[in-house]
Amino acid sequence: EPEVTQTPSHQVTQMGQEVILRCVPISNHLYFYWYRQILGQKVEFLVSFYNNEISEKSEIFDDQFSVERPDGSNFTLKIRSTKLEDSAMYFCASSYRVSGELFFGEGSRLTVL
Amino acid sequence: AQSVTQLDSQVPVFEEAPVELRCNYSSSVSVYLFWYVQYPNQGLQLLLKYLSGSTLVESINGFEAEFNKSQTSFHLRKPSVHISDTAEYFCAVILSGTYKYIFGTGTRLKVLA
Repeated sequence: EPEVTQTPSHQVTQMGQEVILRCVPISNHLYFYWYRQILGQKVEFLVSFYNNEISEKSEIFDDQFSVERPDGSNFTLKIRSTKLEDSAMYFCASSYRVSGELFFGEGSRLTVL
Repeated sequence: AQSVTQLDSQVPVFEEAPVELRCNYSSSVSVYLFWYVQYPNQGLQLLLKYLSGSTLVESINGFEAEFNKSQTSFHLRKPSVHISDTAEYFCAVILSGTYKYIFGTGTRLKVLA
């Protein structure tokens, strides 16, 4: 069964460092998303991406965040200068159609020290 | 604006007992509704969804949810739970044709032997 894969599974970084989280969505999916979940809290929408551009983003997704689909398979989330409050589990998701079922990866845990 | 409310943060229940996990949403227009399950240290997996048609939807592992437009609810039920159902359950809503899924705060179901 096709699945969304994310790397790394866990990354520890120092405050102020740049971090890139990588995702390989399901191959025939067209819509891509990043969500995050701070420990014990709700799953929060960060950004959606379609047709090589951001289709929607939340207030959390400020200038420190960026997304990119550098080739036909990878979808990346970059945090330019990490803050302590960026520590969370980051989930990538993809879907075949707008408002359709989301398929999630297993997440990348980011710890900012 | 859309919102999703899961009133119960934790629900303990004995094995083979019935359970209901509540979800209410607020939206003035048509929405699609989902229940996702998150097992420990894993990503979110779709449990069931309501897009249109019959208001009662079922999953392959015995869960069901009923869309009630007048009460703006999408409660999840199972007549007899198993230990393996222990997980966090998230209700989610999205406006048809949009990109931003809104998740509830989650309900931790703990099945006791």
